Amino acid sequence: DQQVKQNSPSLSVQEGRISILNCDYTNSMFDYFLWYKKYPAEGPTFLISISSIKDKNEDGRFTVFLNKSAKHLSLHIVPSQPGDSAVYFCAASAYTFGNEKLTFGTGTRLTIIP
Amino acid sequence: DVKVTQSSRYLVKRTGEKVFLECVQDMDHENMFWYRQDPGLGLRLIYFSYDVKMKEKGDIPEGYSVSREKKERFSLILESASTNQTSMYLCASSLYLGQPTSHYGYTFGSGTRLTVV
Repeated sequence: DQQVKQNSPSLSVQEGRISILNCDYTNSMFDYFLWYKKYPAEGPTFLISISSIKDKNEDGRFTVFLNKSAKHLSLHIVPSQPGDSAVYFCAASAYTFGNEKLTFGTGTRLTIIP
Repeated sequence: DVKVTQSSRYLVKRTGEKVFLECVQDMDHENMFWYRQDPGLGLRLIYFSYDVKMKEKGDIPEGYSVSREKKERFSLILESASTNQTSMYLCASSLYLGQPTSHYGYTFGSGTRLTVV
């Protein structure tokens, strides 16, 4: 059962425009949501997170929005740059007996067209 | 900066071999994790450990075991490698935060691409 879903396997965006990556989840017990970026032959790197008690978090060109009623989050990248071309994973955090586990989505490959 | 080092970038092993994937972190993190990444399936958790000598099964533990004899080192073991274990393996570590007031994610290694022939 996929608790975290990224329904778009790929996305192409013109340089300078906005990139919007989407993620849906099913478990209402998740308390943090995170976005990771991954280049080929490298490990994922942490981008931005949002607490389940917030609806927006911003860090430079990256903004994450959370809609708890719809169980949906999105990552906005403005303006998109060629170096943003990568695979983006959303992840959700849940605590069990004081310990944390991250569940990842399947990823979206973002291509920025110069 | 936290560094998570995986001993091999690429490995080719034969079916039936016993395979060890090693991971070392240098920032005294309590938590360590092994994931595998496959196209269309994302990152799936194999095993994790919250302390020395502790281990917990993740979502896909079958065919794998782990060892954590020292805090900084977490090994993934394929007891008898099979072709369906061909994958990218990613190790990660994190601090124990209890219930955090903010979240800075896990730190991942660069991955080991394992091919079983």
